[in-house]
Order: sequence, then C-alpha cells, then structure tokens
Amino acid sequence: DTGVSQDPRHKITKRGQNVTFRCDPISEHNRLYWYRQTLGQGPEFLTYFQNEAQLEKSRLLSDRFSAERPKGSFSTLEIQRTEQGDSAMYLCASSTDEKLFFGSGTQLSVL
Amino acid sequence: AQSVTQLDSHVSVSEGTPVLLRCNYSSSYSPSLFWYVQHPNKGLQLLLKYTSAATLVKGINGFEAEFKKSETSFHLTKPSAHMSDAAEYFCVVNPDNYGQNFVFGPGTRLSVLP
Repeated sequence: DTGVSQDPRHKITKRGQNVTFRCDPISEHNRLYWYRQTLGQGPEFLTYFQNEAQLEKSRLLSDRFSAERPKGSFSTLEIQRTEQGDSAMYLCASSTDEKLFFGSGTQLSVL
Repeated sequence: AQSVTQLDSHVSVSEGTPVLLRCNYSSSYSPSLFWYVQHPNKGLQLLLKYTSAATLVKGINGFEAEFKKSETSFHLTKPSAHMSDAAEYFCVVNPDNYGQNFVFGPGTRLSVLP
C-alpha cells in the first residue's frame, strides 16, 4: 500500500480566508477519519466517514468546518472564515477495522 | 465522558534500561485500548491494541502493555530502551467499541539518553 496521503503539507493563510485540505486514504480502506492536533496535545477527533457517509461528527466542531467524501475514496476538509485558533496540524487516517493508518498531516497556520 | 490520562508528559531513560509509560482510562464499557507512537515528522503508527482476548498484549519493536481492569490502567513497557524509541507516545481508547470516536491521551514524550 502507498499509505495515507495528505495535501498540502503546510498551509499559511490570513484570518477570514477559506482553506481546503485533501486526504487520499489507502485504497481498500472504507473508513476515513479527520483529527486535529495542537502542540503538546493528543489528536482530537473531528469526524468519521464510512464509505461516502459521514457517520460521526464531533460536537466541538464548529459549523465553519465541513468535510466530504463524495465517492467513498478521497476526502476534503474545508474551514471557512479561518480564525487564529484554527492553527493546528490536521490529520487524516483510514482503516478497515480499529487499526488506524495516519497520514503525515497538514500544518495550518492562520495569521 | 470517556477520557484517557497519561500520567507523565515526559519520561527520560538511558539506553538499555526499562521503559514504563503510564496510562489510565475511564470508560463506561469494556473499551478497546491502543498505544500509538509518533516520531518527529512522521505519521502516527499503531504499536499495539487490546481487545479483551488477553490482558498482556505484545506489540511491535519489543513493546508490551498490560490491561488491568481493577486499576483501569494500560501501561506500556519495554525491557530495554533503544535510541530509536525516542518519540511521542499516545494512549488511545475506543470507549464503546461501536463508535469510531477514538479518544487520544495528551501524550508522553520519551527521551532516550546514550
């Protein structure tokens, strides 16, 4: 397998701008997760897809955040009207069971 | 609420000495438990997982973890540390084994001194 791929690796944006990240999971994995990790903390769950269906979403997730997985393959995470508090590493993971395979993440900096 | 506590934010050991990274969890059910490792500039990697088959779980790279229900603990150990073990370690709980909201602890940074 080629692993979980995330693009871009780094994103710098100004407050108020919209950003979109992409995740390409391992091809046969039907489950896809988004997590957010800030410095010195463990990853925080954002949302989960099984195939194209978004089955779980964190209650902490602002309505500025939206995620899609239109064909059950790659996924996008969009943040609208970014705020400085959105600065973090955004991690994508995929799986077929409870073993998660993580990508290297997208580091977002909001200025 | 389900939660994971990692009692030490930083552990420092000498190469060749034992490693102990502590984890306690709270869960209303019998959870699945995991340890993940994160090396600098690399993705998180699964070390081992517990799913009730055996209380002592063996993982990769010589790591083990023991599930103790009475203590709600799942501590990670390794008999002899290697320089390449220096990384961030996360204890993770899947609280109800049906949902997919894996809860990560805050992490323990392991330093290995020569």
